[in-house]
Amino acid sequence: QKEVEQDPGPLSVPEGAIVSLNCTYSNSAFQYFMWYRQYSRKGPELLMYTYSSGNKEDGRFTAQVDKSSKYISLFIRDSQPSDSATYLCAMSPPLGQGAQKLVFGQGTRLTINP
Amino acid sequence: GAGVSQSPRYKVAKRGQDVALRCDPISGHVSLFWYQQALGQGPEFLTYFQNEAQLDKSGLPSDRFFAERPEGSVSTLKIQRTQQEDSAVYLCASSFGGGAGGYTFGSGTRLTVV
Repeated sequence: QKEVEQDPGPLSVPEGAIVSLNCTYSNSAFQYFMWYRQYSRKGPELLMYTYSSGNKEDGRFTAQVDKSSKYISLFIRDSQPSDSATYLCAMSPPLGQGAQKLVFGQGTRLTINP
Repeated sequence: GAGVSQSPRYKVAKRGQDVALRCDPISGHVSLFWYQQALGQGPEFLTYFQNEAQLDKSGLPSDRFFAERPEGSVSTLKIQRTQQEDSAVYLCASSFGGGAGGYTFGSGTRLTVV
């Protein structure tokens, strides 16, 4: 079993819909949680970065972390065709325990239909 | 430069051939990381440098893989005697510190072993 599980999709929704993406993980040492967006033939681009449990909002994007359930989510409001990409969750343990190393989920391929 | 630059963008190698992949990090970035991304999967950690010191090489899949960063700037990932299972996108990332939230990824080198 992988340390980080993410449904690969594909997920297809109409423009303007609310999108919910999520990951589960097994390593309770993870403290830093990230969401990356990856367009085709490009490198991952950091979208959201959170530490420990709670919510974080940035424009149309909201990241949630529930450490008790080992579950993280990314919500995209008012989705746009330009949001079509693969979304990767990533996480790492605290400093001193290999913080530099990220563990990624498989990625969810998202398509927003005009 | 403005971003992390990787070359070549695409590489086709015959099985058994040696290859060298180059990464030019963002100027001044101390930390440099290599990841391997197989088709349809998330990136997997290979190795990490802080300046010229290779602090973690736990993700290198075999002794055919070797990475260096001799002057603390440009890095080269070398794969000897390539095998078909080495076919993947090799991503380089750099950050000013070592923290998980500060990565900037390059667009990667797509290696195909035939």
